[in-house]
Amino acid sequence: DARVTQTPRHKVTEMGQEVTMRCQPILGHNTVFWYRQTMMQGLELLAYFRNRAPLDDSGMPKDRFSAEMPDATLATLKIQPSEPRDSAVYFCASGLVLIPRTAASHEQYFGPGTRLTVT
Amino acid sequence: KNEVEQSPQNLTAQEGEFITINCSYSVGISALHWLQQHPGGGIVSLFMLSSGKKKHGRLIATINIQEKHSSLHITASHPRDSAVYICAGTNTGNQFYFGTGTSLTVIP
Repeated sequence: DARVTQTPRHKVTEMGQEVTMRCQPILGHNTVFWYRQTMMQGLELLAYFRNRAPLDDSGMPKDRFSAEMPDATLATLKIQPSEPRDSAVYFCASGLVLIPRTAASHEQYFGPGTRLTVT
Repeated sequence: KNEVEQSPQNLTAQEGEFITINCSYSVGISALHWLQQHPGGGIVSLFMLSSGKKKHGRLIATINIQEKHSSLHITASHPRDSAVYICAGTNTGNQFYFGTGTSLTVIP
C-alpha cells in the first residue's frame, strides 16, 4: 500500500529554532508539493518539485524557508529561524506527471502532515 | 475577494440525503481538484477534472468551464462522508487557487 510519509508528525519548538520537516514521496512519483494549512489562510502551496528540481517556490517566504530534494526518495522543508506565525500543518503530496507543462493538473497523494507549533 | 468561492460553508444533512457542494472561480484554470479532509486532518484527492463529469462510487464531480463552476455531489450520504471538502483550481502556470472549504456533517 504505497503512501506518502512525513516526519515528524508533531513538532513543538521555540521561536528562533530551526525546524526540518521530511517527506518521502511514493516510489516512482516524480513531483512533490509542499503545502501549509492554517485556520486563517486555509491551504496554501509553498513549493513544488519535478524530477527533484524546484519548479516554483513563490508561495514560500524566502528569508526563512527553504525546500530541497536531496534525492528522489526525500524532500525536506526547513524553517530557520522559526516564528510563532509559522505554526500550521505542513502537508507534502506527490504525484506522477507525464506531461511536464501541466504539473499541477494531475492527481496528488497527500501525506498525513506535520503539525508544527512554534512558541 | 477569493479567486475560488465555495458554497455552502457549512452543511448538515441526514443520512441518505443527496448533497451538492458548489465551487465557483474567477480565474482561468486548466483543471480543478476536489479534496476531502477528514476530521483527523488527513487529505485525500477525490477528483481532478478539466471538463465534463467524473464519478467514483457515490461521488460525482462536474465542471462547466464556460460558467467557471464545478459541483461535487454525494448520493446516499453517510456519516463517514462527514469531512471538509476543498476545491482548488490550477492553471498551466502551475498556480493553485484554493477554496476555503465546505464543512459537511452527515447525521445518522
